[in-house]
Amino acid sequence: AAGVIQSPRHLIKEKRETATLKCYPIPRHDTVYWYQQGPGQDPQFLISFYEKMQSDKGSIPDRFSAQQFSDYHSELNMSSLELGDSALYFCASSLEVGTTPGELFFGEGSRLTVL
Amino acid sequence: QQPVQSPQAVILREGEDAVINCSSSKALYSVHWYRQKHGEAPVFLMILLKGGEQKGHEKISASFNEKKQQSSLYLTASQLSYSGTYFCGTAPGSARQLTFGSGTQLTVLP
Repeated sequence: AAGVIQSPRHLIKEKRETATLKCYPIPRHDTVYWYQQGPGQDPQFLISFYEKMQSDKGSIPDRFSAQQFSDYHSELNMSSLELGDSALYFCASSLEVGTTPGELFFGEGSRLTVL
Repeated sequence: QQPVQSPQAVILREGEDAVINCSSSKALYSVHWYRQKHGEAPVFLMILLKGGEQKGHEKISASFNEKKQQSSLYLTASQLSYSGTYFCGTAPGSARQLTFGSGTQLTVLP
C-alpha cells in the first residue's frame, strides 16, 4: 500500500540558509499535517491543510511557511535557519472523521541539521 | 494545550502489564494513542471516541473517561516489541490539529 513519502530524508544546512521539505500524502487522504520533533521531545504540531487549504496552525515560527499544491503534495519552507531548527520533521496524512482527526499515517521524516 | 502523560518512563519484564495515563484540561472529543520507536515515525495504535467507540490495536486496550477528560492505555502480557515511546494525542475542538503529550518511554526486558 502507498505510504506517505517525504524528501529529502536528510538535510544539512548552515545558519541563515533556507530549506524546503516535501511531502506526498497517501492518495485520497484529505488532510496533511507537519510536525517538528527535537531530540527526546514529543512531536510538536506545526500546521495542517485540509483539501489544499490551510487549516490549523500550531507552534510554527514566522520564518516557516507551508503550502499544499493542486496535486496534494505539500512543502514546508524554512528560512533564516537557526541551530534550534535542527530536528526531525514529520509529515502525516489522514482522512477526516467527523469532528476528530482520523488515523494519522506518518512519513519516515526529514532530518534537518543546522550547522 | 498539551495533554499530560504519566508515568514518564516504565521498565518491565516480558509478560508483565503496564498502564499509561493521559489527561487533559480541556473537553475531549477523542483520544489517540501512538507508539514511536527510536529514530522511526510514530505508529497509530488506537482512537477512542466520545461515546465509547474504540478503533485500533487488537492486543492493546484503552479506556476513555469523557467526564474526567482522561484516558488510559493498557498493555497486558508485554512483549519485547512493545518497547518504545507512547504518546497520547488530543484534538479538542478541531479535526485537523492533533496535539501530543510528552510521552511515556516503555522498556520491556527479557
